[in-house]
Amino acid sequence: AQSVTQLDSHVSVSEGTPVLLRCNYSSSYSPSLFWYVQHPNKGLQLLLKYTSAATLVKGINGFEAEFKKSETSFHLTKPSAHMSDAAEYFCVVSDRDDKLIFGTGTRLQVFP
Amino acid sequence: NAGVTQTPKFQVLKTGQSMTLQCAQDMNHNSMYWYRQDPGMGLRLIYYSASEGTTDKGEVPNGYNVSRLNKREFSLRLESAAPSQTSVYFCASSEAGVWGYTFGSGTRLTVV
Repeated sequence: AQSVTQLDSHVSVSEGTPVLLRCNYSSSYSPSLFWYVQHPNKGLQLLLKYTSAATLVKGINGFEAEFKKSETSFHLTKPSAHMSDAAEYFCVVSDRDDKLIFGTGTRLQVFP
Repeated sequence: NAGVTQTPKFQVLKTGQSMTLQCAQDMNHNSMYWYRQDPGMGLRLIYYSASEGTTDKGEVPNGYNVSRLNKREFSLRLESAAPSQTSVYFCASSEAGVWGYTFGSGTRLTVV
């Protein structure tokens, strides 16, 4: 069965410093992987998706993620955090029936 | 704007009351989903419908029923609400083979 593990429930960074949100996946086949963002009291927005094309995936708002099969990881990064990046981030894997399986989320705090 | 519309946005129920959460999409998607979101647990799939006329259980279906009324609409019913069903409920739709779900803005349900 497919699953994802988000290694940090909370991450705090200062504005202008790099962001790293860690995600490991488990899948019996080549997975489709996603990162979604949820701002407070809002719905979910797709940041980026990996579907077995390029291993480095660029998303919206300067985020990117790298698929590393050898490490079964799909970490989300951003070179320089902005206050507006404060939100909850979900790593997600798709199963064979296109159902999404969510990680437990990482809350990102950005301090001035 | 095209997308997924959920009603109501907020609801308070007493234990034992029933209610139906409504969801409609205007993107002609075949697949629709109901998720619940609880703190520290990410989103968990309650039920899904791969096409009009079909529904299947997800990870946490107990206490819920669904109806795929037509291609556009997918409703979630709580027959006898319990405090454990206090959650934020998200409806989503997708098209097989096309990447990305579209999520509604959520329904915040409190059962007292």
